[in-house]
Amino acid sequence: EPEVTQTPSHQVTQMGQEVILRCVPISNHLYFYWYRQILGQKVEFLVSFYNNEISEKSEIFDDQFSVERPDGSNFTLKIRSTKLEDSAMYFCASGQDYTEAFFGQGTRLTVV
Amino acid sequence: EDQVTQSPEALRLQEGESSSLNCSYTVSGLRGLFWYRQDPGKGPEFLFTLYSAGEEKEKERLKATLTKKESFLHITAPKPEDSATYLCAVQARNTDKLIFGTGTRLQVFP
Repeated sequence: EPEVTQTPSHQVTQMGQEVILRCVPISNHLYFYWYRQILGQKVEFLVSFYNNEISEKSEIFDDQFSVERPDGSNFTLKIRSTKLEDSAMYFCASGQDYTEAFFGQGTRLTVV
Repeated sequence: EDQVTQSPEALRLQEGESSSLNCSYTVSGLRGLFWYRQDPGKGPEFLFTLYSAGEEKEKERLKATLTKKESFLHITAPKPEDSATYLCAVQARNTDKLIFGTGTRLQVFP
């Protein structure tokens, strides 16, 4: 069964460093998303991406964040100058249309 | 403001003891209501999408129903492997994002 794949599963980084979280969405999907979940809290929307551009972003998704689809298979989230409060599980999701979202297993980001 | 409230926060059931989880929502025009299952340290696993009041969907021991204000996830004769956190999320019209509730943590004991 096709699935969304995320790498790495766990990333530890020092405060102020840049990180790139990687995702391989399901192959025929057109809509791509990043969500995050701080430990013990709700899953929160960060950004949606369609037709090679951001279609929607939340207040969390400020200038520190960027997304890219560098080729036909990968979808990345870059966090510049990480802060302690960026520590969370980051989930990539994809869907054939905007009415579905299949999630990956997540990347646990720890900022120290 | 679009909002999702799930209850109870936690539920302990004996194997075979049926029950229901509640998801109340307020949204400016519902496009879809989603149910997911999440195991510890894992990503949400898609279960159902419901689109209009009166709609029902079933998968194995799970059945989801939808009204104009809430959704129920009914679990019939649960097994220990049904233990997980069940998440509800809504999607409003003219938006891609899902707004999640805090989830119901279900534990099923043999």
